[in-house]
Amino acid sequence: EAQVTQNPRYLITVTGKKLTVTCSQNMNHEYMSWYRQDPGLGLRQIYYSMNVEVTDKGDVPEGYKVSRKEKRNFPLILESPSPNQTSLYFCASSLSPLLETQYFGPGTRLLVL
Amino acid sequence: QKEVEQDPGPLSVPEGAIVSLNCTYSNSAFQYFMWYRQYSRKGPELLMYTYSSGNKEDGRFTAQVDKSSKYISLFIRDSQPSDSATYLCAMSGNRDDKIIFGKGTRLHILP
Repeated sequence: EAQVTQNPRYLITVTGKKLTVTCSQNMNHEYMSWYRQDPGLGLRQIYYSMNVEVTDKGDVPEGYKVSRKEKRNFPLILESPSPNQTSLYFCASSLSPLLETQYFGPGTRLLVL
Repeated sequence: QKEVEQDPGPLSVPEGAIVSLNCTYSNSAFQYFMWYRQYSRKGPELLMYTYSSGNKEDGRFTAQVDKSSKYISLFIRDSQPSDSATYLCAMSGNRDDKIIFGKGTRLHILP
């Protein structure tokens, strides 16, 4: 089954404790991206990757890092999480940058205390 | 003015009614227009995709784009309770541009 998986699905952490949210897709997609979704603000892109070893900033990259060492994986790293990073995070992948066939993961709900 | 405006709702309509969801935008360079549906506790899923102006129909769903007015719509005919979800519009200027999302409209179909 074609899918995008994220782990963990739910996470409660404390300020400053480094964390990684993993994202994996099994569709051989080149394009992957991370979004955060907040009430009243909608979906905002954090980072995206056009291919292995190629990443770029989205609209709200501050406080986040990503890496793309393999085509299927695109982890999101919060080196020093802060409460304003409490949000619902989605990973997405598609064949091309244009997202007419974009697939979203199930989401990771993060609470930073 | 925000690039994409979408009324957050909630919008409640009786089962069987025609639903109209809309977005306005300010960037005349947008050419690709999408509608996503997001159920509670799930990721968005692509519902409809159109390029430039015109209409596109898929079953009970019709997407309309009016570039002269910078206005896009999604119509749902014979609405069902299973259509209850948040609907997000999204748009982009070209194939390599990033996607700009609306904030989403919450829709409730009342049985």
